[in-house]
Amino acid sequence: SQTIHQWPATLVQPVGSPLSLECTVEGTSNPNLYWYRQAAGRGLQLLFYSVGIGQISSEVPQNLSASRPQDRQFILSSKKLLLSDSGFYLCAWSGRRVGRSQGAKNIQYFGAGTRLSVL
Amino acid sequence: RKEVEQDPGPFNVPEGATVAFNCTYSNSASQSFFWYRQDCRKEPKLLMSVYSSGNEDGRFTAQLNRASQYISLLIRDSKLSDSATYLCVVNINAGNMLTFGGGTRLMVKP
Repeated sequence: SQTIHQWPATLVQPVGSPLSLECTVEGTSNPNLYWYRQAAGRGLQLLFYSVGIGQISSEVPQNLSASRPQDRQFILSSKKLLLSDSGFYLCAWSGRRVGRSQGAKNIQYFGAGTRLSVL
Repeated sequence: RKEVEQDPGPFNVPEGATVAFNCTYSNSASQSFFWYRQDCRKEPKLLMSVYSSGNEDGRFTAQLNRASQYISLLIRDSKLSDSATYLCVVNINAGNMLTFGGGTRLMVKP
């Protein structure tokens, strides 16, 4: 079965410090990978998604970046954190979409999340 | 207009009640629809997919109305453990992206 690991679970960082959050998926190959952020009491905002190694699409301009050095590894980074970067960061994966009627492959499965507080 | 819109609630209901949530979406070309459940300070988890003909999973019934561009979730015989935020999720552009609604919070009380 497929599993997704995300760490750390919680993180407190000072403003201006760097960030690196890691996400790995097991039990599947060529997954689509996603990074979301959820501010307190708000909905999920898609930050980045990747359809393959080295392929990153950014949905929202910001001081965050993402990388996919391996097929099942997705990393979220920042060189200098801002107060506004605080939030709940979620990694997710989905299967490859093949053909039009593959609704099940749209399903995204989430990691346990990282709660980041920038102080 | 938001791409996926939900009443944020909270819906406060007694145990055993039936409660229904609606969600509207803006893009008529949307292909896939889901309900996710998110417990406080946890990750969202898939509750059920929503099929064109409607579908049921135990106490949960999901329906899709393409003409009016809304989906619904009905929960019968509410349990305390049903207390959570329910996220309406739509595949907007027939690609791999999902768009999440802001969620509807349900609180089931004894």
